[in-house]
Amino acid sequence: GESVGLHLPTLSVQEGDNSIINCAYSNSASDYFIWYKQESGKGPQFIIDIRSNMDKRQGQRVTVLLNKTVKHLSLQIAATQPGDSAVYFCAENAGGGADGLTFGKGTHLIIQP
Amino acid sequence: DAGITQSPRHKVTETGTPVTLRCHQTENHRYMYWYRQDPGHGLRLIHYSYGVKDTDKGEVSDGYSVSRSKTEDFLLTLESATSSQTSVYFCAISDKGGNYGYTFGSGTRLTVV
Repeated sequence: GESVGLHLPTLSVQEGDNSIINCAYSNSASDYFIWYKQESGKGPQFIIDIRSNMDKRQGQRVTVLLNKTVKHLSLQIAATQPGDSAVYFCAENAGGGADGLTFGKGTHLIIQP
Repeated sequence: DAGITQSPRHKVTETGTPVTLRCHQTENHRYMYWYRQDPGHGLRLIHYSYGVKDTDKGEVSDGYSVSRSKTEDFLLTLESATSSQTSVYFCAISDKGGNYGYTFGSGTRLTVV
């Protein structure tokens, strides 16, 4: 199986609520993690990243949390908006070789009005 | 996406015909990647390049070849297209490989009939 995966394929939240998207990884050698957003018909877009020497990183309305003990990554989106509807992928670098990132299958975030 | 373009955006081809997809970048990034995206599988690496004329295989390279004769262009060729190669193909670029985020193109939707 894949070394990066997601707990839920679909997440439905009310507009204005906070969203939490989870990701499990299995490669303990990974030291770099990224969240991507993919809107319908478009390529993945970088949201936020985190390195293994950190356990939390914040951006604009987004926070990534890294728990290396249980190999878990999460993306928190504050005050979810209709424009946040998309598929969200996590990715890990599994040691940082030239062959790069390994991607999870994605969680579809649906915003309810 | 700024600095990276894929062509064509859509293509329908017949089984057994050769097909070439093009990825063009204006960022002068060293690393370029080809992924395919299929339902239930997420993004899977086909081939990647770490410099001009330097390429290597990814996890799903069978039936595909690549070439990179100059920094800005990375070509993906299906020598004899099969229906199993119907997919959405994404190109990505990076200036530092898997230790930093990628920038993705908008994708090419290929249908093999």
